[in-house]
Amino acid sequence: DAGVTQSPTHLIKTRGQQVTLRCSPISGHKSVSWYQQVLGQGPQFIFQYYEKEERGRGNFPDRFSARQFPNYSSELNVNALLLGDSALYLCASSPDSFGNTIYFGEGSWLTVV
Amino acid sequence: AQSVTQLGSHVSVSEGALVLLRCNYSSSVPPYLFWYVQYPNQGLQLLLKYTSAATLVKGINGFEAEFKKSETSFHLTKPSAHMSDAAEYFCAVSERNNDMRFGAGTRLTVKP
Repeated sequence: DAGVTQSPTHLIKTRGQQVTLRCSPISGHKSVSWYQQVLGQGPQFIFQYYEKEERGRGNFPDRFSARQFPNYSSELNVNALLLGDSALYLCASSPDSFGNTIYFGEGSWLTVV
Repeated sequence: AQSVTQLGSHVSVSEGALVLLRCNYSSSVPPYLFWYVQYPNQGLQLLLKYTSAATLVKGINGFEAEFKKSETSFHLTKPSAHMSDAAEYFCAVSERNNDMRFGAGTRLTVKP
């Protein structure tokens, strides 16, 4: 079975631009979470979606937004990019919204120049 | 809110030696606890998890961790290190939802 898949794997953007990252969860998983991992640090929780509804939001500015589609795939959007947004963005999926193990994708490396 | 502290950002052991990576947690409810491993340029792979069943949890690749409520700890151990164990290890806590809080990570180096 395919794991969590993310695209693109690497991208470079300029300050002020907008970026969209995509995630397909493991088949049968209805919950998708997004994490930001800055180099040298642990992942930081951004959002969780379950059944297309936002179930949790971390301490990130409103420039960050996300949505989940009927097929449970998800997009993370970041507007007005800053240099500090350069990071590995990890998507994770889980069968439901509470307490189950979450499975991570390989991530999307975003570099803002 | 839940949080995790990993003691030691870098641990170095010799091949065949005991691996001990330390993790202390804070949680307002009985937590779920996890250890993940991250190899260079890859995502996170689950090693093991504690969900209030047995306090000694066995994971993949010979790793295990013991939940100690009195010490609010969940240290990761492996009796004999292998070169392939060199990676970044993250402890994480969840209060029964998918808002997981990760520690800063411990980089394990294994010397031949």
